[in-house]
Amino acid sequence: AQRVTQPEKLLSVFKGAPVELKCNYSYSGSPELFWYVQYSRQRLQLLLRHISRESIKGFTADLNKGETSFHLKKPFAQEEDSAMYYCALRDQGAQKLVFGQGTRLTINP
Amino acid sequence: KAGVTQTPRYLIKTRGQQVTLSCSPISGHRSVSWYQQTPGQGLQFLFEYFSETQRNKGNFPGRFSGRQFSNSRSEMNVSTLELGDSALYLCASSLGDFLNEQFFGPGTRLTVL
Repeated sequence: AQRVTQPEKLLSVFKGAPVELKCNYSYSGSPELFWYVQYSRQRLQLLLRHISRESIKGFTADLNKGETSFHLKKPFAQEEDSAMYYCALRDQGAQKLVFGQGTRLTINP
Repeated sequence: KAGVTQTPRYLIKTRGQQVTLSCSPISGHRSVSWYQQTPGQGLQFLFEYFSETQRNKGNFPGRFSGRQFSNSRSEMNVSTLELGDSALYLCASSLGDFLNEQFFGPGTRLTVL
């Protein structure tokens, strides 16, 4: 069965410190992986996807098929990064997204 | 472009009643997906409609149903409401091709008393 696990419900780091939000997945095929972010009082929005191999707002994520992980990283956290982050998997050939439980990231000044 | 809109934003119902939620996708988008968000279960996929046809379905009971109109607007209906149906219901729209990004609406907060 498809599953996405985000082991940390809460993560708190200081401004300027590196950030890593963990995501592990379980899927038998070749999944498409995403990170979504929800800032306070805003709607859920796409942050990045593994096929794009982009860096968005300083965040990067590398798909590691051997470890079935898709961790989100940023070298220097900023206060505006405080938000809820969701890792998600999409079955190839479908619009269905399977979400992790989310990690609430708080950046302390 | 206007974003995905959902109406109503808040709804209070009692057990046993039924409810209909509406989602208007971004202009030109033909796919609408629905998700339920609760503190305990997180975000769970309900179903997806594309060109008025249900294309994917999640693991929810038959009390949860939906439809899509020719203008791509979608409605979801929940019959015989239970307390556990209290949740934020999100819809997302996309162009419909499997590589397209999904854009989420603000959600409808349903409270069942």
